[in-house]
Amino acid sequence: EAGVTQSPTHLIKTSGQQATLRCSPISGHTSVYWYQQALGLGLQFLLWYDEGEERNRGNFPPRFSGRQFPNYSSELNVNALELEDSALYLCASKLGTGSPSLYNEQFFGPGTRLTVL
Amino acid sequence: AQSVTQLDSQVPVFEEAPVELRCNYSSSVSVYLFWYVQYPNQGLQLLLKYLSGSTLVKGINGFEAEFNKSQTSFHLRKPSVHISDTAEYFCAVSVYGDKLIFGTGTRLQVFP
Repeated sequence: EAGVTQSPTHLIKTSGQQATLRCSPISGHTSVYWYQQALGLGLQFLLWYDEGEERNRGNFPPRFSGRQFPNYSSELNVNALELEDSALYLCASKLGTGSPSLYNEQFFGPGTRLTVL
Repeated sequence: AQSVTQLDSQVPVFEEAPVELRCNYSSSVSVYLFWYVQYPNQGLQLLLKYLSGSTLVKGINGFEAEFNKSQTSFHLRKPSVHISDTAEYFCAVSVYGDKLIFGTGTRLQVFP
């Protein structure tokens, strides 16, 4: 079974540009999470999508946005890039909130390394 | 709000020695607890989780952790480490299956 995939692996942008990061969840998973892993700041929750809807959002400015498509893949967009946005962006997927399990594990992709110059 | 504190940013240890990575959490409600491992240039892999029941949890690669509610701790242990255990380890909490809240990580460096 294929795991969570993310593209691109690396992305280099300059300040002020826009970046688009993509995530394909494990087949059958309907929830997608985005996390930012920045140097010195650790892993921070960005966004959670389930069944096409945004369910929760972390403490990030509105220029961080995303969406989930009907096939449950997801896109993270970062507008007006700043140097501090340089980080590893991790996507995770899990079975949706409709699952009867006590807890559904989040499975992580390898990440997209975004560098802002 | 919930928070996680990993008390050691780096833990050096020799191969075949035991190791303990410390994790304390703060929450006013019940939480689920996790340990993840991150190898260089890779995503996160779940080592083990505590949802309920027995406070001693066994995970993959010979790791185990003990949930201590009174001390709000969830320390990770391994009786004998290998070079291949060199990685970054993250403790995390989750409320009702929502987002994961991570600690700052502990870098485990295993020396031959």
